[in-house]
Order: sequence, then C-alpha cells, then structure tokens
Amino acid sequence: EIVMTQSPATLSVSPGERATLSCRASQSISSNLAWYQQKPGQAPRLLIYHASTRASGIPARFSGSASGTEFTLTISSLQSEDFATYFCQQYNNWLWTFGQGTKVEFK
Amino acid sequence: QLQVQESGPGLVKPSETLSLTCAVSGDSIRSSSYYWGWIRQPPGKGLAWIGSIYYSGSTYYNPSLKSRVTIIRDTSKNQFSLKLSSVTAADTAVYYCARADYYGSGTWGGLDLWGQGTMVTVSS
Repeated sequence: EIVMTQSPATLSVSPGERATLSCRASQSISSNLAWYQQKPGQAPRLLIYHASTRASGIPARFSGSASGTEFTLTISSLQSEDFATYFCQQYNNWLWTFGQGTKVEFK
Repeated sequence: QLQVQESGPGLVKPSETLSLTCAVSGDSIRSSSYYWGWIRQPPGKGLAWIGSIYYSGSTYYNPSLKSRVTIIRDTSKNQFSLKLSSVTAADTAVYYCARADYYGSGTWGGLDLWGQGTMVTVSS
C-alpha cells in the first residue's frame, strides 16, 4: 500500500496570504495524484488531478506541482471560502489511498 | 442533472451487514470512461477508499476490508451497491459514492463527482 503523508496537519493563514500544502508518497506514483477540498458537512471537491491539472471550475489561485514523490498544492491568495481541509489522493494503482489531510484555518 | 446519490439505513447493528446503494443520474454506469467507487470517512477523521467497480463488473477492494466487502452494479437501474458484512463500531462513518475518470490500461483521474454522503452508525 502506498502511504500518503500530508504536512502540516494544520496551517494558519491570513486572508490574502499564500498557502503551501505538502503531500509525500511513500513510493513513486508518477503524476497520479489528486487534491480535494472539504468543508464541514460537505463532500470533498476535486481541485487538482494529474498533480497539476485544475478540475473544471476551479479558480486559478489553486495550483499543483510535483517533484519526485513530493507534491504541493499552492493557494496563491487565500480567500475566505478557502478555509477548509485539503486531502491528497494517489491513484497510481488500483489501491487508491488518501493523505490524512491539512486543515487550513484562519490566523 | 449529473449526480450520484447514496441511500440506505442510517443505523446498523453490530455483526450485521451494511447495505448502501448509489443511484447515478445524468450519466450511465455502462460507460467505459469511468470507475465508480465507495469512500468512507469516520467522524472527525480522514477519507478511506473502500472499493471500486467498472462497467464490466470488475472490482477492486481495499485489502483491509476485502474479506467483508462486496460491490455490485445494476445496469438496469443505473446504480451500484455496497455491502459490508460483520460490521463493528469501527465501521461507523459517512459513506460516499463517487466517480473517477478511467483512461484505460490501468490509469485513472481524480474523483470528480461525489454524492452528499450518508451517515451510517453501527450500534445496538
């Protein structure tokens, strides 16, 4: 099983600031990684797939990048609606696994 | 409108079988372009993939649950179902159904369509 490790667990950010979230895979997953945003009481929403491709309707302030087994989600200028929990997920093989999540909270 | 919707009992007794259905509207589960899956989330915790099914009926299950999980599809009703046997309190969670793009040759995209989720509590 590929283990996905996200850091930090909690990120305190002020509106308008840049937020950088990390996700590390325990082995190579190529670019087979997605990022999701989840707000309390809601289902996750796909933000990024293939490590860096924005899903339909996702604002340009969300971007994804990869370097080996390290993946990054960047929110360039945090808006009030971006305070949420973010999960990464690998789908490199049939055994899909998620990271434990990063909660982005108001500083 | 394209959507998926979970349904099923909100309360299941320990040792019994949890059964949920995901109704798909606005799309066909007979499409070769998608996999359909179940994901769960215990209260206050992260997401865990349970298993997936393809239009052909082929399935993949999380090894940690494989002995207890069955996912089947009903193409006539355009829905797929989850059965989880011998449940315990550890199976208490919000259960989501979702869709993933499939590009062939064992390659997928992200889960781009999610149901609202259904809370299932295991308790006597």
